Amino acid sequence: AQSVAQPEDQVNVAEGNPLTVKCTYSVSGNPYLFWYVQYPNRGLQFLLKYITGDNLVKGSYGFEAEFNKSQTSFHLKKPSALVSDSALYFCAVRNAAGNKLTFGGGTRVLVKP
Amino acid sequence: GAVVSQHPSRVICKSGTSVKIECRSLDFQATTMFWYRQFPKQSLMLMATSNEGSKATYEQGVEKDKFLINHASLTLSTLTVTSAHPEDSSFYICSAEVLRGDKETQYFGPGTRLLVL
Repeated sequence: AQSVAQPEDQVNVAEGNPLTVKCTYSVSGNPYLFWYVQYPNRGLQFLLKYITGDNLVKGSYGFEAEFNKSQTSFHLKKPSALVSDSALYFCAVRNAAGNKLTFGGGTRVLVKP
Repeated sequence: GAVVSQHPSRVICKSGTSVKIECRSLDFQATTMFWYRQFPKQSLMLMATSNEGSKATYEQGVEKDKFLINHASLTLSTLTVTSAHPEDSSFYICSAEVLRGDKETQYFGPGTRLLVL
């Protein structure tokens, strides 16, 4: 079975400060890892993914994430947060052989001006 | 590219009626689409995997006779909530895998808010 943990229900950060949203995962085989963002009453928007290659993945809107195999983590980061980054962020995992995504519980990010 | 639409975006219905939700991939073909359910302040729960031209695969605990899925073409999957009850009120989101190109990523629709009175 595969699982994802997002240990923080909410992250508060001041505008301009660095933002980190944590994610750890468990999956058999090689992991495919994803970050999505959800705005109120909307579907999920794809931010970035790790499939293979460089551990540091760059995505949309200035976000990046670092794959750490030994710690089974895939934390999402942004060097300088914007108020418009306030949203719900989901980490998801699947293994290379399957196509079912398992989502974490989500982390609400609140960026204050 | 990789835009997924859902219709309707919001629906209110009476208990006992059936509601159909459409999921369309607008600029790509998708052999596989997924249906999720999201309760307030909770994560997405996979309900079923829909493959074009074949029967859907339902997750454990999801009633296939209640949540009818049809994937008639490479760009359209429908979810019908039959004999809806208030407990079926939820946010339903579909996603699609592209047929060619970026096969690993699921692209999500904007969701359908269902309220059963």
